[in-house]
Amino acid sequence: DAMVIQNPRYQVTQFGKPVTLSCSQTLNHNVMYWYQQKSSQAPKLLFHYYDKDFNNEADTPDNFQSRRPNTSFCFLDIRSPGLGDAAMYLCATSSGGDRALEQYFGPGTRLTVT
Amino acid sequence: KQEVTQIPAALSVPEGENLVLNCSFTDSAIYNLQWFRQDPGKGLTSLLLIQSSQREQTSGRLNASLDKSSGRSTLYIAASQPGDSATYLCAVVSSNTGKLIFGQGTTLQVKP
Repeated sequence: DAMVIQNPRYQVTQFGKPVTLSCSQTLNHNVMYWYQQKSSQAPKLLFHYYDKDFNNEADTPDNFQSRRPNTSFCFLDIRSPGLGDAAMYLCATSSGGDRALEQYFGPGTRLTVT
Repeated sequence: KQEVTQIPAALSVPEGENLVLNCSFTDSAIYNLQWFRQDPGKGLTSLLLIQSSQREQTSGRLNASLDKSSGRSTLYIAASQPGDSATYLCAVVSSNTGKLIFGQGTTLQVKP
């Protein structure tokens, strides 16, 4: 089945130790998104790629970076995680040609910072 | 700025009840509205997508309506089951930004 896959599902990192989260998709969608969701809060968009064009949200901390080496994969890099970065990180995709089309979400990666 | 509000924040009902979850948004300029389900510690599962030109969508026991002019959507769940217990999130794609804006969610508990 076509889907959005996130690895790992659970990640524990130490304060200040760089960490990378991975997202892959078999939908061949040209838009990929990264959201951060803290406990009991709504998901918050961090950035998205439209093909290779990177779009950063104005309030996304500089500590967060992203890479998209090809259509299928997208990575979220947190350069120096702080305790406040502990959250669920959600990857989503959409066929960006028509913004009325839905976004498909992966299962998420739960990040713990110790 | 588009804002999405969901009421109530939490709801507890006995099994078998029909129930309605409410979602409101401040700017009627939207491409579509999606309802998602989120189980504890899990990702989002898309339940229903309503295009801006549509009034409702149905899937099994779920029915979602959209009144764009009043900025409201409802998710109707018929004959609720304990397996329906989850957080339900409403989100709109803003026509101005093309971005998905989420509400805070309604956490539903269906008691056997």
